[in-house]
Amino acid sequence: GAGVSQTPSNKVTEKGKYVELRCDPISGHTALYWYRQSLGQGPEFLIYFQGTGAADDSGLPNDRFFAVRPEGSVSTLKIQRTERGDSAVYLCASSYLAGGPADTQYFGPGTRLTVL
Amino acid sequence: AQSVTQLGSHVSVSEGALVLLRCNYSSSVPPYLFWYVQYPNQGLQLLLKYTSAATLVKGINGFEAEFKKSETSFHLTKPSAHMSDAAEYFCAVSGGSGGGADGLTFGKGTHLIIQP
Repeated sequence: GAGVSQTPSNKVTEKGKYVELRCDPISGHTALYWYRQSLGQGPEFLIYFQGTGAADDSGLPNDRFFAVRPEGSVSTLKIQRTERGDSAVYLCASSYLAGGPADTQYFGPGTRLTVL
Repeated sequence: AQSVTQLGSHVSVSEGALVLLRCNYSSSVPPYLFWYVQYPNQGLQLLLKYTSAATLVKGINGFEAEFKKSETSFHLTKPSAHMSDAAEYFCAVSGGSGGGADGLTFGKGTHLIIQP
């Protein structure tokens, strides 16, 4: 079956612009996660959704970052007033159960964001 | 807070030789531990996970890992390396703070190089 998909695969923007990154989880998966992976680093947790609500947004670096999941399926990560330090690969993952530390998370291929 | 340390950002082995990738964790609660592999331009793929059942966990592609609580380790091994094993490997922990309650906290990764 189809895995987690993310669009766009690459996004180049200018400093100060607004960007939206989209994640389509595996059908039927109720939990959805966003991570950020900087060059040479492991992924870093940003936010976790259980259904439509953000169950944990403790990883969002500041208030320029925001994510939504209005219908409990597709999620959008929104970044306002982008900065060069936001350049990274943004990964999305989903899991079948309603969240749980033992759940297997299935990752998408990521969106590479470059802020010039 | 929980954390993961992967010793060796790069590991090089000959084809057919033993693969050993090291992972040590820190967690204030009983951990759930994961190994993911990332091939170039692809998403993270789960190799195996430890969820407090058997301490020796077998995964895909001939990999296995042993949970050793006394050493706070979860090293990944494969008896005989294959050229197709060349990739980036990440150890991760969940079940506590630092990655969200259910998010993953990753190590920095180990790049596995297979010499012909």
